[in-house]
This record gives sequence, C-alpha cells and structure tokens, in this order.
Amino acid sequence: DAGVTQSPTHLIKTRGQHVTLRCSPISGHKSVSWYQQVLGQGPQFIFQYYEKEERGRGNFPDRFSARQFPNYSSELNVNALLLGDSALYLCASSLDGGAGGNTIYFGEGSWLTVV
Amino acid sequence: AQSVTQLDSQVPVFEEAPVELRCNYSSSVSVYLFWYVQYPNQGLQLLLKYLSGSTLVKGINGFEAEFNKSQTSFHLRKPSVHISDTAEYFCAVSGWDSNYQLIWGAGTKLIIKP
Repeated sequence: DAGVTQSPTHLIKTRGQHVTLRCSPISGHKSVSWYQQVLGQGPQFIFQYYEKEERGRGNFPDRFSARQFPNYSSELNVNALLLGDSALYLCASSLDGGAGGNTIYFGEGSWLTVV
Repeated sequence: AQSVTQLDSQVPVFEEAPVELRCNYSSSVSVYLFWYVQYPNQGLQLLLKYLSGSTLVKGINGFEAEFNKSQTSFHLRKPSVHISDTAEYFCAVSGWDSNYQLIWGAGTKLIIKP
C-alpha cells in the first residue's frame, strides 16, 4: 500500500507569492494534519482535518489555510510568503487523528524555499 | 499545556556502544508518548509509542524506551548502535488537552563515531 504522498517535493518561491502543497493520506485514513519544520527544530502543528472538517489549528497567521477533499486528500495554502516560511512542510495521516493512540504516519515532506 | 524537552541537542557515541537519548515532558493529564526518527532529507518514521500498560516499550531497529510517570520521562535506549542509526530523533507527546496533536521536542542528533 502507498504511504503518505506529498507534492511537490521541492519548490522555490519569491516573497509575496502564494504556494499550494498537496497531500494524499494512506488509504482508509480520514485524518490529515500539517506540520511546519524549520531547519534545526522540531515540527510545529499547523492544521488538522478529520472527515473534511477542521479539527484543530496551531498558532499560525491567517496567511495559512488548508482544506480536505471528499477523497480525504488535503491542500495547504500559504499566501504572501515571507522568508521565514522557508521550511519542510510535513503531512501526517491517521485513522482518527490520534485520539485512539493510532499511529500517525508522515510523508517525506515538501521543502519550501522562499527567496 | 503540554511540552517536551529533549535534554541533548547532539549525542556522539562510538559504533557498537550503548546510547540513551533523554526526553522529559510536562502535562497535567494522561498522555501518549512517541519517539520518531528522521533520516537526512526524509520524513518522520515512528520508532515506538507508549499508550498505556507496560512501561517498557520496544520498537523497531532494536530501540526501546521506558515511561517513568514520577519523573515524567520517556528516555530512548539502544544497547548497541550502528552507523545506520545516524539520524535525528524526536520525542513527542499528545493528549486530550492538545486535542491529540503531537507536541514535539527540538530533536537530538545521534552522531555515530566509527
């Protein structure tokens, strides 16, 4: 079975531009979460979606938005990019978002560089 | 609020020596605890997790961790490391008061010396 897939794997954007990152969860998983990992730090929670509804939001500005589609795939959008948005963006997939202790699986991530 | 502290940013160790990576957490509620590994330029892979029950948890690649509630610790150990264990290791906690979102430590780089 395919794991969590993310696209694109690498991208370079200019300050002020917009970016869309995509994630396909493991088949059967209904929850997708997004994390930002800045070089040298642990991941920071951005959003969680479960059954197409937002279940949680981390401490990120409104420039960050996300959605989950009927097939449970997800997009993370970031507007008005800043240099500080340069990071690895990780998508995580789970059956129930972690409440039952089910394993949360991560994709390989999308490396975003803002210049 | 929950938080995680990984006490060492880097741990150098000789190949075939034992290693312990330290993790302490703070939480006012029952938690789930996790260790993930991140190899260079890759995503995160689960090594092991503690949900309840036995405090000694065994994971993949010969790693194990012990949950100590009184010391609020969840240290990761391996009796003999290999060069392939070179990676960054992250401790994470989740619970109902974080809506089961993973709260992460800053990571510990395991450096294996030949």
